[in-house]
Amino acid sequence: QVQLTESGPGLVHPSETLSLTCTVSGFSLTGYSVYWVRQPSGKGLEWMGRMRYNGDTSYNSALKSRLSISRDTSKNQVFLKMNSLQTDDTGTYYCTSRYNYYFDYWGQGVMVTVSS
Amino acid sequence: EIVLTQSPTTMAASPGEKVTITCRASSSVSYMHWFQQKSGTSPKPWIYDTSKLASGVPDRFSGSGSGTSYSLTISSMEAEDAATYYCLQRSSYPLTFGSGTKLEIK
Repeated sequence: QVQLTESGPGLVHPSETLSLTCTVSGFSLTGYSVYWVRQPSGKGLEWMGRMRYNGDTSYNSALKSRLSISRDTSKNQVFLKMNSLQTDDTGTYYCTSRYNYYFDYWGQGVMVTVSS
Repeated sequence: EIVLTQSPTTMAASPGEKVTITCRASSSVSYMHWFQQKSGTSPKPWIYDTSKLASGVPDRFSGSGSGTSYSLTISSMEAEDAATYYCLQRSSYPLTFGSGTKLEIK
């Protein structure tokens, strides 16, 4: 069955780089797209970017200068890197798929705190 | 960027009451998606392609709309429906979510 699992550090210091991994199972990254969505604590959802099945990427323009999404298809992993983190980047980060339809499967999320 | 405006922001409904949540887009979109999120959990797909129920969603839920106006309706509110609901447009990038509607049970 389809599963997505996020992993990464729970604490990042201000101005440092966040690195997250989304490990997928039940489908191939060369056949389906994966997206990153974040949710600041107590707030709504924000689309961050996409790794398309063909390797193309798209980014939210508000984050584009700080954000990079890549993948390793042999490991079924999609990576998110975002630099220059600030306290308002604190929140839960999710990866989600477009398997049958948009955002049909979600990971459990990883809570990231930006603090010194 | 297409801005999605949800209304109301919060509401409370009694068991059995009909509930309608609206999502208005700043430009026309082809489809609207809806997600349900309960505290401390990942969002769940609820309605996709405007009116199709995701797997496991009770049929008291329905979705409708076109152009710039979409809605999620619960025909008869139940306690388990208390949650926050978000709309999502995928017609143009960046993909955007509404700010959410928190639905509580009276």
